[in-house]
Amino acid sequence: ELKVEQNPLFLSMQEGKNYTIYCNYSTTSDRLYWYRQDPGKSLESLFVLLSNGAVKQEGRLMASLDTKARLSTLHITAAVHDLSATYFCAVDGSFRSARQLTFGSGTQLTVLP
Amino acid sequence: DAGITQSPRHKVTETGTPVTLRCHQTENHRYMYWYRQDPGHGLRLIHYSYGVKDTDKGEVSDGYSVSRSKTEDFLLTLESATSSQTSVYFCAISESKGPQETQYFGPGTRLLVL
Repeated sequence: ELKVEQNPLFLSMQEGKNYTIYCNYSTTSDRLYWYRQDPGKSLESLFVLLSNGAVKQEGRLMASLDTKARLSTLHITAAVHDLSATYFCAVDGSFRSARQLTFGSGTQLTVLP
Repeated sequence: DAGITQSPRHKVTETGTPVTLRCHQTENHRYMYWYRQDPGHGLRLIHYSYGVKDTDKGEVSDGYSVSRSKTEDFLLTLESATSSQTSVYFCAISESKGPQETQYFGPGTRLLVL
């Protein structure tokens, strides 16, 4: 059974600081996703990571994947208030065309002025 | 937003009553999914569909059934709602952009079972 663990679950940080969210998963997978969710809203796709060593960046967010360690990181650079949200990683362990995602519990990020 | 709508957006019902949630997409995507979101659990897959009349169970399928008679509609039914099914339900579709295939989510339905 695929398990996905995120940490920390809650993160409060000051504007301008850097921090990293970690996502560990328990079995082999061919792709990993990062999503953002604002309170009361739907999920917004941020990144899809497909291979070992993959790195993607969008603005102040950078995601990486180490398939050997079964670990993905979401790094936040010089945080701003607009980044306050809950971030989820999700792993597809199905190796099928119909993707069956297993989500982590989410990291609730609060960026303080 | 990948053209996904969900209805109703909010529903309050009583234990033991049947409930059907609808997911509608306008862009002819083959794969559709139903998830539920509860505090502390992230999202969990209930059922998914890989074509008209082709569906399969996900991680938390007990107490739920689905149907897909048209490409654009994927229905989730709670045959006899229970309080443990109080949740936010999200529909998703897979949109393939080559290797960058990802899932896009609908706006969600908040269901309260009293």
